[in-house]
Amino acid sequence: SYVLTQPPSVSVAPAKTARITCGGDNVGSKSVHWYQQKPGQAPVLVIYYNSDRPSGIPERFSGSNSGNTATLTISWVEAGDEADYYCQVWDGSGDLWVFGGGTKLTVL
Amino acid sequence: QVQLQESGPGLVKPSGTLSLTCAVSGGSISSTTWWSWVRQPPGRGLECIGEVFHNGETNYNPSLKSRLSISVDKSSNHFSLRLRSVTAADTAVYYCARQGAARFSSGWRLWGRGTLVTVSS
Repeated sequence: SYVLTQPPSVSVAPAKTARITCGGDNVGSKSVHWYQQKPGQAPVLVIYYNSDRPSGIPERFSGSNSGNTATLTISWVEAGDEADYYCQVWDGSGDLWVFGGGTKLTVL
Repeated sequence: QVQLQESGPGLVKPSGTLSLTCAVSGGSISSTTWWSWVRQPPGRGLECIGEVFHNGETNYNPSLKSRLSISVDKSSNHFSLRLRSVTAADTAVYYCARQGAARFSSGWRLWGRGTLVTVSS
């Protein structure tokens, strides 16, 4: 089955840039989606189709995907961005959606 | 707007069957999209359980396939999850979600609030 690998944690100071990676075999050929999840809440889509933002998501959130790594970038990080972030792709060989293990973003 | 709401017992005995329903309000479950179940054990990450299309077509997580059944009830506008022979490892918050119109490139914008199911005697 397809595996997505994320760092367990990323720490960043306010107003700096946070980058959260999602590694997978040739993930650049897939469409990657990113979700933000705060404690006790359902996930919220923040990036879809590698780099598109749903309406209502700040422009500070951006995404890229190439080779074996997809990246979620959060610019001008705010305290309210502190959350767990998950990447997601469709594994066509297994007919299953796959999530990365999640990354806890801590704002210092 | 369309909303999803999970419901079902919060406590299931070991070796029993976990049954959950996701009610779709403000829209039709017969719309051309897939509907999913995702779970999250306490303190851990998200796991896709499986999905169902409005015509009843399903895809299941291979690790759960032998115990799992997901179905659509058009008359009641909901879809359901049944997981048999549960153990403590099945304790999790269970979410239902609607996939986007462009199945592989839309992402999942609509989620239920989730329901905690505990497997314990």
